[in-house]
Amino acid sequence: GQQVMQIPQYQHVQEGEDFTTYCNSSTTLSNIQWYKQRPGGHPVFLIQLVKSGEVKKQKRLTFQFGEAKKNSSLHITATQTTDVGTYFCAGEVHNNNDMRFGAGTRLTVKP
Amino acid sequence: NAGVMQNPRHLVRRRGQEARLRCSPMKGHSHVYWYRQLPEEGLKFMVYLQKENIIDESGMPKERFSAEFPKEGPSILRIQQVVRGDSAAYFCASSRDRGLEQYFGPGTRLTVT
Repeated sequence: GQQVMQIPQYQHVQEGEDFTTYCNSSTTLSNIQWYKQRPGGHPVFLIQLVKSGEVKKQKRLTFQFGEAKKNSSLHITATQTTDVGTYFCAGEVHNNNDMRFGAGTRLTVKP
Repeated sequence: NAGVMQNPRHLVRRRGQEARLRCSPMKGHSHVYWYRQLPEEGLKFMVYLQKENIIDESGMPKERFSAEFPKEGPSILRIQQVVRGDSAAYFCASSRDRGLEQYFGPGTRLTVT
């Protein structure tokens, strides 16, 4: 069954507003990865988080890995139309080495 | 460096025919993953292979679907006796090692008529 849950499923924002997507696992994760898929495209790797409580930034994107290594978030500050797409998290189940993808959060940005 | 290659990009099959989807991983990558994606939905894991071995096929339907990754040549996802419900985008990804970032191919969009 689904081991990595992602919310919300959809998010519509006005350009300039912030956006956050959350990823939760029922089990401890060794690491978590985030991907972005543009409409009609394929998923593209964004970042990997490994350490408990880790925070990484890429320009307007901030990624966090929870202290218990069971949840993660991606926050986009001041969204732009180029941020449109579906954001997936993928967690490596601890001691399993299998990556499992969340269902994704589809972001639309109104100019 | 060439990325992950998938072919064909689009495939149309009639019900009952066979579909063969090919994936060539990135150079130096020996781990291959197949995913299915229905329109407006997420990625559903199907199978994980390493050269000549199936590591995890927990996401593969029990019947009609098979996958291989031979010592030489691309990984193949084979769907026998296709049905309309098989229509989807099938993505292949590769990684250098287990648990590392995955690089996705452009996908094969299968349409069953």
